[in-house]
Amino acid sequence: GQSLEQPSEVTAVEGAIVQINCTYQTSGFYGLSWYQQHDGGAPTFLSYNALDGLEETGRFSSFLSRSDSYGYLLLQELQMKDSASYFCAVSSNTGKLIFGQGTTLQVKP
Amino acid sequence: SAVISQKPSRDICQRGTSLTIQCQVDSQVTMMFWYRQQPGQSLTLIATANQGSEATYESGFVIDKFPISRPNLTFSTLTVSNMSPEDSSIYLCSAFIGGSYEQYFGPGTRLTVT
Repeated sequence: GQSLEQPSEVTAVEGAIVQINCTYQTSGFYGLSWYQQHDGGAPTFLSYNALDGLEETGRFSSFLSRSDSYGYLLLQELQMKDSASYFCAVSSNTGKLIFGQGTTLQVKP
Repeated sequence: SAVISQKPSRDICQRGTSLTIQCQVDSQVTMMFWYRQQPGQSLTLIATANQGSEATYESGFVIDKFPISRPNLTFSTLTVSNMSPEDSSIYLCSAFIGGSYEQYFGPGTRLTVT
């Protein structure tokens, strides 16, 4: 089967840096994705890592270590609008995405 | 960017009835996915819908309860049959578009069963 673990909640202040970790167990692993979801909205794609290392997109970066079955999402220069739920998700050779339980990020002024 | 629309956006239904949710993608896609999300919870994959073949259901979901149609490469429907209050949830469809790693989601259908 497949399982993913990520913290349920994280709190940080505006301007800070926060890291959301994700560990996974899966067969036929292809890559690790991150999605953001605001209350009442649909999930939106943030990043995808298929190879080990860091991918940077603006204020957001994502890291993957395939040997450790571990990844993280790094959010820099936090803004109030970053308050949302963040999901890691694994993709496999079946083409499906399986989501973690999600991390609720609260950004405080 | 790709657009996925869903109808209805929300509905309140009586137990024992069925609701069909429609999902339209603005480009042709091979696979479409149906998820369920309880408020404050994660997304649970219900099934994968491929055009021209039967849907593939995840553990815990069966075709009799959640029949799916996929008549062409841009459209799919999910029916929630013989509903009970436990079926109250948000139902989302999604697809990978253009060969990218990005999965696009529809806005969701908020279902309440009374």
